[in-house]
Amino acid sequence: AQKVTQAQTEISVVEKEDVTLDCVYETRDTTYYLFWYKQPPSGELVFLIRRNSFDEQNEISGRYSWNFQKSTSSFNFTITASQVVDSAVYFCALSDLVTGGGNKLTFGTGTQLKVEL
Amino acid sequence: DTEVTQTPKHLVMGMTNKKSLKCEQHMGHRAMYWYKQKAKKPPELMFVYSYEKLSINESVPSRFSPECPNSSLLNLHLHALQPEDSALYLCASSQDFHRAPQNRGFFGSGTQLSVL
Repeated sequence: AQKVTQAQTEISVVEKEDVTLDCVYETRDTTYYLFWYKQPPSGELVFLIRRNSFDEQNEISGRYSWNFQKSTSSFNFTITASQVVDSAVYFCALSDLVTGGGNKLTFGTGTQLKVEL
Repeated sequence: DTEVTQTPKHLVMGMTNKKSLKCEQHMGHRAMYWYKQKAKKPPELMFVYSYEKLSINESVPSRFSPECPNSSLLNLHLHALQPEDSALYLCASSQDFHRAPQNRGFFGSGTQLSVL
C-alpha cells in the first residue's frame, strides 16, 4: 500500500523567513510520481510540481524549490522569503496507476502554513 | 481551457433529498475522478472513470452513485445521505501520467455539501 507522511501539521513563520515542508513516502512501485499541491481557503487544489521517480534532479521555480531524495524516500518543499500569500494547506501526494486506467493520488495529511507579518 | 468546472459550489440537502453534483472538463482528459475531503483532512479518492467506464470504486456507500455520460462530464448522484457525508467534494481529471511528463491531476474548486 502507498503512504505519504507529512509530519508537520502546522507551521507558523514570519514573512521573509524560509520554510521547509517535509514529505516522506512509501511505495512498492519502481515507477511512481510525486506531487505538491497548495490548497488556499477557497478550497481549490493548486498544482505546484510533479516529480518522476526516475528523475532525481532538484528543481527551483522562483521562491519555490524541491529536494527529491530517493534514498530516503523524501520529497521536501522549501519556500524562500515567505509571503503572507503563501499561507495555505500544502499537500504532498503520490501517484498510483489504477488497474484499468486512471491515476490514483494518495495524499499526505497536509501542512498548514501560516505566514504572518 | 485548463479548467475543471464543478456545480453547484454549495449545496444544502436533507437526508431524504436527491441531488446531483456536476463536473465538466474540455481538456480531452480520459480519466475523471471524485474525491471527498472532510474538514482539515486530505482528499480521499471515491471513484475513478477511465474512458467513461468505472475503473475503481473505493468501497463507497451506494447512496453515492457516479455517472459518466460522456468523456467531458462526470456526475455524482446523491440520495439518502447522512450528516457525516457533509464534506467538500472535488472532481479531477487527467491524462495518463505515464504518457507525458506534464500530465497531472487538474482539480475543480469543489462542491461544499452540507447534509442536515
